[in-house]
Amino acid sequence: DIVMTQSPDSLAVSLGERATINCKSSQSVLYGSDNKNYLTWYQQKPRQPPKVLISWASTRESGVPDRFSGSGSGTEFTLTISSLQAEDVAVYYCQQHYSSTITFGGGTKVEIK
Amino acid sequence: QVQLVQSGAEVKKPGSSVKVSCEASGGILSSYPISWVRQAPGQGLEWMGRIIPMFDITNYAQTFQDRLRITADKSTNTVYMELTSLESDDTALYYCAKSFGELFPFDSWGQGTLVTVSS
Repeated sequence: DIVMTQSPDSLAVSLGERATINCKSSQSVLYGSDNKNYLTWYQQKPRQPPKVLISWASTRESGVPDRFSGSGSGTEFTLTISSLQAEDVAVYYCQQHYSSTITFGGGTKVEIK
Repeated sequence: QVQLVQSGAEVKKPGSSVKVSCEASGGILSSYPISWVRQAPGQGLEWMGRIIPMFDITNYAQTFQDRLRITADKSTNTVYMELTSLESDDTALYYCAKSFGELFPFDSWGQGTLVTVSS
């Protein structure tokens, strides 16, 4: 199975400051035939199911604020919140769907400092 | 827009089985792969397995291979997840989630079903 490793486990950021979350896969999730990274970022708020923020490593979902961005390719990926807002307090997960056996990162809890 | 509605909370004894349903409204369930993802209290997300209802094709995470069964009833647009030989570690919130295709992100989630395993 592809192992997804997120870092840090948690971070506290001041309002308006940048938050950066990293995700590393144990093997490449870049599919050669379409040149897409099969990597998605989810946001999960308490007592809610996860919600897609960024798909294909860097494509923001409709309605997601542009302060959220995704980057990276192959095995290393980053989710950036450019200016943290109070409503961004949540746990963020990366997920690979390159393999038919899907795996998630362990999650990163983002809080306000 | 397909919405997924899951069955209610369950309390089970160790060694027993649980069967959770996931009904699709607003669309045809058989067209899309449906996965099951669980989340133990205070923990992360764990993918368990999926079914492609149109073809009744399933695949399971190795961890659950021996005691997980995912089935679909196309006539009622419902997918079922049955987990056997329950242990206390199986206490978790169980979600169904839909994707556009087998290798696509999950674009719609059920509300979650809490399964508590306790003697």
